[in-house]
Formats: sequence, C-alpha cells, structure tokens
Amino acid sequence: GQNIDQPTEMTATEGAIVQINCTYQTSGFNGLFWYQQHAGEAPTFLSYNVLDGLEEKGRFSSFLSRSKGYSYLLLKELQMKDSASYLCAVNGGATNKLIFGTGTLLAVQP
Amino acid sequence: GAVVSQHPSRVICKSGTSVKIECRSLDFQATTMFWYRQFPKQSLMLMATSNEGSKATYEQGVEKDKFLINHASLTLSTLTVTSAHPEDSSFYICSAATGRLFNEQYFGPGTRLTVT
Repeated sequence: GQNIDQPTEMTATEGAIVQINCTYQTSGFNGLFWYQQHAGEAPTFLSYNVLDGLEEKGRFSSFLSRSKGYSYLLLKELQMKDSASYLCAVNGGATNKLIFGTGTLLAVQP
Repeated sequence: GAVVSQHPSRVICKSGTSVKIECRSLDFQATTMFWYRQFPKQSLMLMATSNEGSKATYEQGVEKDKFLINHASLTLSTLTVTSAHPEDSSFYICSAATGRLFNEQYFGPGTRLTVT
C-alpha cells in the first residue's frame, strides 16, 4: 500500500531551527515534494528531491534517502510567518499522482 | 511563473443543488489537471486525475457520477458537484501539471464549498 507519515504538530521558537521528518512507503517513486500551506490557502511549492542528498534553498533545505524511504525539511532562522502546515508528497511514478502525507502543523512562538 | 486560478473562491449552496468549479491554467498549457478535496485539519486527498480530451480517472471511493469532471481544453478543467449534500462541504483544490521537468503541480487557490 501507499503510506506517508509525518508528525502531526510541532512547536518551535522564532530564530531557531526545526526539522520536519517524513517517511514513506509507496509502490513507485518519482520524486518527493515539500509544500507549505497556510490555513484556508492552497499549498505552495517549497522543494523537490529525486536523488539522495540535501537540496538547499535559502532558509529551507530538504534531504532525501531513497533507501530508507525518508526525507526531512529543515527550516532555519524561523520567522513567525513560517507558522503553517508543511506537506510531504511523493510522486508515485507512472501516473505522476502526488500522494500527500497528513501534514505537519508548525507553530512558531516568539 | 505558472499561475492557476479557480472560480469561485467561495460558494454556498442548498442541499440537492449542483455546483460547478472551474480551474484554469493562465499562462501555460496543462497536460494534466488534478482535483483534490481537503477537510479541516486534514491533508489533501486526490479525487481524480484529468487529461485533456479524455475521461477522468477517479480514485477509489470517489463517485464519478457525483463529481463530474470535464477537461475540454489544455487550460480549463471543471468539477461539478451534483446533488450536493452537507457532507460534501469541503475545500476543493485543483492543480495543473506541465509535464515538463519533474512534472511539478501548480495549485489553484482553492474553492470553499458550503452546502446548507
């Protein structure tokens, strides 16, 4: 079956670093995406990993290990506006469908 | 960048009526469009995959006769919720894929449907 797991909620402090983990088990794999979603809005693209390793983009980095079925999103220098849900999604392969995890609701506190 | 619009952004309808939601890719041609549903505090659930000029592929458990999808052109897909009921109240989001690069999906702003 298809399964993507993320922690439901996390809390972090402004200015700090937070790591959001995602583990997946899917029948196919054509890349892993991270999206940010504020309440009542559509998801916005953050990162894409298809090869093992770390992709860095400003304050956001994403890591992938295909052998372990594992990814994480790293957010540095947290700002209050980073409070949002972070969705891990796997492109399942042939059909290019995205399978979404449950999302992690991040609360950044002063 | 790629922009996807949805219309309407919010709609309230009475139980038993039908509602049509439009999804448009504004500055690119989308080979595939996807329709998702999101209930409060839950993640996105894929409802169907739509390719231009062909029938939509529905996910298991999604009634194709209730959620009618038309993908008449490379820039427009519509979702019609027929005979809506209160349990259909949800946030409906479409996305469009270009088929290029890693086939990134660009999401529309979503439509909040409330059935009374």
